[in-house]
Amino acid sequence: AQTVTQSQPEMSVQEAETVTLSCTYDTSESDYYLFWYKQPPSRQMILVIRQEAYKQQNATENRFSVNFQKAAKSFSLKISDSQLGDAAMYFCAYIEGGTSYGKLTFGQGTILTVHP
Amino acid sequence: GAGVSQSPSNKVTEKGKDVELRCDPISGHTALYWYRQSLGQGLEFLIYFQGNSAPDKSGLPSDRFSAERTGGSVSTLTIQRTQQEDSAVYLCASSLDRGRAYEQYFGPGTRLTVT
Repeated sequence: AQTVTQSQPEMSVQEAETVTLSCTYDTSESDYYLFWYKQPPSRQMILVIRQEAYKQQNATENRFSVNFQKAAKSFSLKISDSQLGDAAMYFCAYIEGGTSYGKLTFGQGTILTVHP
Repeated sequence: GAGVSQSPSNKVTEKGKDVELRCDPISGHTALYWYRQSLGQGLEFLIYFQGNSAPDKSGLPSDRFSAERTGGSVSTLTIQRTQQEDSAVYLCASSLDRGRAYEQYFGPGTRLTVT
């Protein structure tokens, strides 16, 4: 079974600084996607970034970038120039590719606090 | 266009009562997913629909949980004889189809509290 592990229950960062959230996963599949979702107190799950496993290039979305290490099964999120609005719970998630399955598997989450 | 909507936003119920949670997916999305977010179990998959059929019900925690989808649109998650451990946020998501399950759009969730 696929598992996703986030080993940092909480992280904090100063505004304008950089922070990295860690995630490891376990799968025997070769076709899959990895995600980072942000969940603010409103509960709305917001997609931050998506990485396709077959793409070697790390995904980037503005201030958010990932370090995807496929062999090590590691998928970390770097947030640059942190802003107060980045404060939220962040979830790492995995899904198999293809049409065989639609289930997202989530990590336990990391609460990010941004200090002004 | 409108996103995924869920109702009610919050629900408080007494132990032993039945509850129905509703999810209205994005128009045109044929795949619909239910997840549960609880303090003890984290975020877990419950069930998904492709059209009106549910190929995977493996995540439903007990036979007190059931879900249906009619007309390929709105879905209802029903919990019978609620227990305190059912207290959680129930999230719904939809995607264009099962093949695009990697693009799931989430609703705001329903917070269920069982007293």
